[in-house]
Amino acid sequence: QKEVEQNSGPLSVPEGAIASLNCTYSDRGSQSFFWYRQYSGKSPELIMFIYSNGDKEDGRFTAQLNKASQYVSLLIRDSQPSDSATYLCAVTSNTGKLIFGQGTTLQVKP
Amino acid sequence: EPEVTQTPSHQVTQMGQEVILRCVPISNHLYFYWYRQILGQKVEFLVSFYNNEISEKSEIFDDQFSVERPDGSNFTLKIRSTKLEDSAMYFCASTLGRANTGELFFGEGSRLTVL
Repeated sequence: QKEVEQNSGPLSVPEGAIASLNCTYSDRGSQSFFWYRQYSGKSPELIMFIYSNGDKEDGRFTAQLNKASQYVSLLIRDSQPSDSATYLCAVTSNTGKLIFGQGTTLQVKP
Repeated sequence: EPEVTQTPSHQVTQMGQEVILRCVPISNHLYFYWYRQILGQKVEFLVSFYNNEISEKSEIFDDQFSVERPDGSNFTLKIRSTKLEDSAMYFCASTLGRANTGELFFGEGSRLTVL
């Protein structure tokens, strides 16, 4: 079983729409959850992290965590073409290292 | 803003050669990591380093790999005898605390091409 699973996409949304990115994880002991954005050929950059069940909002981004379902999502409101990138879900293991999913490619079409 | 810097940005080498990738983590950070990403694949953990020793390593990090922090600022990854499958982007990262307590800051990466 993969530790962190994401649909590779591509997910295509029109400009101004809400993009919804999903991630599931296998380790029930995971405590911290991260969303990174990665443009082609670049390093990952942190968008948000979430530790507690529920929603966490930061500008146009909302992270949602459901530990019972082992599910974490990222909503991007008012999507812009500049949001087109690969979004990486990352989960900490019980040893503290980050484990990444394969990423979901988002395409925002003008 | 403080940043993690990596050199070289791109290195081409022949199979069997030794390669050293260098990283300067953020100065007050205590935990250091190497990750790699083969083209089109996910970011994979290689090794974590704290208090001048390896704290964890993955199955990928075999005897051909080593890390050291020779002078208190640089953090290096050495690959002793490169293989074709070592071709990847190698990312260095650092954190102030353990990775589960906050942001992992990544460098821009070193692209290794093994011919």
